[in-house]
Amino acid sequence: SQQGEEDPQALSIQEGENATMNCSYKTSINNLQWYRQNSGRGLVHLILIRSNEREKHSGRLRVTLDTSKKSSSLLITASRAADTASYFCATDAEAAGNKLTFGGGTRVLVKP
Amino acid sequence: SQTIHQWPATLVQPVGSPLSLECTVEGTSNPNLYWYRQAAGRGLQLLFYSVGIGQISSEVPQNLSASRPQDRQFILSSKKLLLSDSGFYLCAWSVLYLGGYTFGSGTRLTVV
Repeated sequence: SQQGEEDPQALSIQEGENATMNCSYKTSINNLQWYRQNSGRGLVHLILIRSNEREKHSGRLRVTLDTSKKSSSLLITASRAADTASYFCATDAEAAGNKLTFGGGTRVLVKP
Repeated sequence: SQTIHQWPATLVQPVGSPLSLECTVEGTSNPNLYWYRQAAGRGLQLLFYSVGIGQISSEVPQNLSASRPQDRQFILSSKKLLLSDSGFYLCAWSVLYLGGYTFGSGTRLTVV
């Protein structure tokens, strides 16, 4: 079964609004990563947060990690139409042999 | 700079035909290499990974095989394609000190 599960599966917002998506996982992790995928393209690495970190920022992206709840959130502030994509969380865990395990993704539509 | 090349971008093959997808990496040495498959609208499933030349680990039993004849070359093959082999195939590489994965642009395989 997948280690990471994103919620919601799909999200539709207006340009300028914030988008928040969540990821839950099952086993202890070394780090958690978020990726973006434009339709029909490869994945692009956005941000990595280590298990001893609680929050990380990169431009308009803010990632939080709560290891006690085994969950993470990705916040995109002031969204733009170009942010329309699928977003995936992936966990790096010893239980998985330190290979990334991906969730099913959140499809985000930002309407202009 | 590090880049990854994956080809072809799209492929339509008849059932029972052979398959060879190639992935090459530039700008890094001794990377970990991965083949993932993505079903439509879903997350990524790890098929194979390699930590060095000739070292291949399979994650799921299937009709596919992988080889790593050179340090920066990773090949996905099949002797006889099945309809169920259709999907979006992604190659990726990583090195431990960087953490994140870098993905190729993917190959959309349709078996007819």
